Amino acid sequence: DQQVKQNSPSLSVQEGRISILNCDYTNSMFDYFLWYKKYPAEGPTFLISISSIKDKNEDGRFTVFLNKSAKHLSLHIVPSQPGDSAVYFCAASPLNTGTASKLTFGTGTRLQVML
Amino acid sequence: EPEVTQTPSHQVTQMGQEVILRCVPISNHLYFYWYRQILGQKVEFLVSFYNNEISEKSEIFDDQFSVERPDGSNFTLKIRSTKLEDSAMYFCASRRRTSGGSTDTQYFGPGTRLTVL
Repeated sequence: DQQVKQNSPSLSVQEGRISILNCDYTNSMFDYFLWYKKYPAEGPTFLISISSIKDKNEDGRFTVFLNKSAKHLSLHIVPSQPGDSAVYFCAASPLNTGTASKLTFGTGTRLQVML
Repeated sequence: EPEVTQTPSHQVTQMGQEVILRCVPISNHLYFYWYRQILGQKVEFLVSFYNNEISEKSEIFDDQFSVERPDGSNFTLKIRSTKLEDSAMYFCASRRRTSGGSTDTQYFGPGTRLTVL
């Protein structure tokens, strides 16, 4: 069951350049999308989210783009910093209809930002 | 900044033993979750809990698992008879209640590493 897919297991980027992490989903019921960052032996840390009524959400160096027709979203980090090196998870949930809205996660992309 | 806390950080147990993993969600949150991540795999949903009852559970969450909110602050996951394949990182998460059809963010704790020998 791969309703949320991150096809790139790893990505290396030079410090100061843009990092682009991609995520695809198959479930049309997903209406809310999140990116989490995870360091080893720690819990996922929320980064940024977007609901399906938008196609872009920006927060500082992080921007998430949503292409609903293609069922694709991406996270842009610019400029990339060494501290951004971590595993990034894309997650999705259906619109809150009064239920608890579980998250479905992708497999993650390990980002390494090189000096 | 409020955060989700979990204890213990690491639990080692023998196969067949019962374990209880503990979580303290963020205080004004009303939805609670358990997820797990087996080494090298993705984070998987186990169960959600709202208004003192289970809202949804995955097929992983069988009769060996149970959740409880014994008081106003703690949220626990019990595994009655642990198996080798239960070895994983277990994450607790919590979320505020929202209205108007919007979905709010789930915030995760640091996890408990469960090792079943």
